Amino acid sequence: GAVVSQHPSRVICKSGTSVKIECRSLDFQATTMFWYRQFPKKSLMLMATSNEGSKATYEQGVEKDKFLINHASLTLSTLTVTSAHPEDSSFYICSARDPTGAEQYFGPGTRLTVT
Amino acid sequence: LAKTTQPISMDSYEGQEVNITCSHNNIATNDYITWYQQFPSQGPRFIIQGYKTKVTNEVASLFIPADRKSSTLSLPRVSLSDTAVYYCLVGAHYNQGGKLIFGQGTELSVKP
Repeated sequence: GAVVSQHPSRVICKSGTSVKIECRSLDFQATTMFWYRQFPKKSLMLMATSNEGSKATYEQGVEKDKFLINHASLTLSTLTVTSAHPEDSSFYICSARDPTGAEQYFGPGTRLTVT
Repeated sequence: LAKTTQPISMDSYEGQEVNITCSHNNIATNDYITWYQQFPSQGPRFIIQGYKTKVTNEVASLFIPADRKSSTLSLPRVSLSDTAVYYCLVGAHYNQGGKLIFGQGTELSVKP
């Protein structure tokens, strides 16, 4: 099956700093990618839809100025957590929709810890 | 998007067949039913997808009754490595922007 990678797999940063997470579709072009966050023992929560060449669409309650999404190419979307705080500590997962739209492939996730 | 309801948790033993049922009373005509598996600290992994009747692949079967208001994921002869959270999702991949909204999932625990 198609592969989606994320980098880094885990990151620790200090409160107030910004962190960038990359999501790449390795063997297909993805015009649409999605970003989720997941707290311990909870389900995945969709944060935003990332569209190549246009602005991301954020779900209700997600601050677009805090979670900056850039989808500059057909294989790369980035999520930047700006001015991170301990409550932003979470597991961030991206997914990419294949060109036919029939299936989504998920990345392995990025564990963010803000101290 | 249709809301789904699943049992929060299930227990089973190695070698048994496990059936996890998901309710989706408001499923739309063009919605598909998809099941994902997630291990701790990993991204979800696609298991199976169907629209109606029965679908089978190398790891699971999916049973969907005629009214499509529910579906059952069947895992034959589970092993310890099948311990994971299983999510049932309903959505129209083609017509709704591909958004997958996750419900609470079912935490399956397989014991020796």
